Amino acid sequence: LAKTTQPISMDSYEGQEVNITCSHNNIATNDYITWYQQFPSQGPRFIIQGYKTKVTNEVASLFIPADRKSSTLSLPRVSLSDTAVYYCLVGDPRAEGGKLIFGQGTELSVKP
Amino acid sequence: GAVVSQHPSRVICKSGTSVKIECRSLDFQATTMFWYRQFPKQSLMLMATSNEGSKATYEQGVEKDKFLINHASLTLSTLTVTSAHPEDSSFYICSAELAGDQETQYFGPGTRLLVL
Repeated sequence: LAKTTQPISMDSYEGQEVNITCSHNNIATNDYITWYQQFPSQGPRFIIQGYKTKVTNEVASLFIPADRKSSTLSLPRVSLSDTAVYYCLVGDPRAEGGKLIFGQGTELSVKP
Repeated sequence: GAVVSQHPSRVICKSGTSVKIECRSLDFQATTMFWYRQFPKQSLMLMATSNEGSKATYEQGVEKDKFLINHASLTLSTLTVTSAHPEDSSFYICSAELAGDQETQYFGPGTRLLVL
């Protein structure tokens, strides 16, 4: 499973757009990029998943450059409730029984 | 849809006792469930993969005799922490994989275990 590198923490203010970049230089051809959000004392929640280019849903956008060695999670107009830890995971969901290996994550703090 | 529950949400026990944690997929069948452990300010660490009707697969360094996993049905997996000690105090989280769809895992709310 490809190793990921993310900033340990980020600060933002309400209403701003937040971009969290994840590096995954060793990403394999069959690997997908998935982002999860975790609030304190709760289980992670799926945010978005992509393979290449751009993916957008009602919560976030995921930008993946052509070489796929990095990806950026974009949260539009964050609010205080977006304060959480965000995990970037890279792997082939159909390999190794679908298991996920979590990296350190990025602790996002949104201030008023 | 795709809701996963855990019971209990919090448990306090004495050192040496065993604690059972349940993980249920409420509205879908899960042939595979996963168990994670998370210490304060740390990331989730995968402990084992639980497959319905077969033995669990444990990650390196996780004692299978200490963390007993049973996946007896398509909607229930249990983790039993045997002879718990204070160092086993942690946040235990399960996830379930929708049968036939390995691309997304749905996580439970977690169980906080405190061993005194």
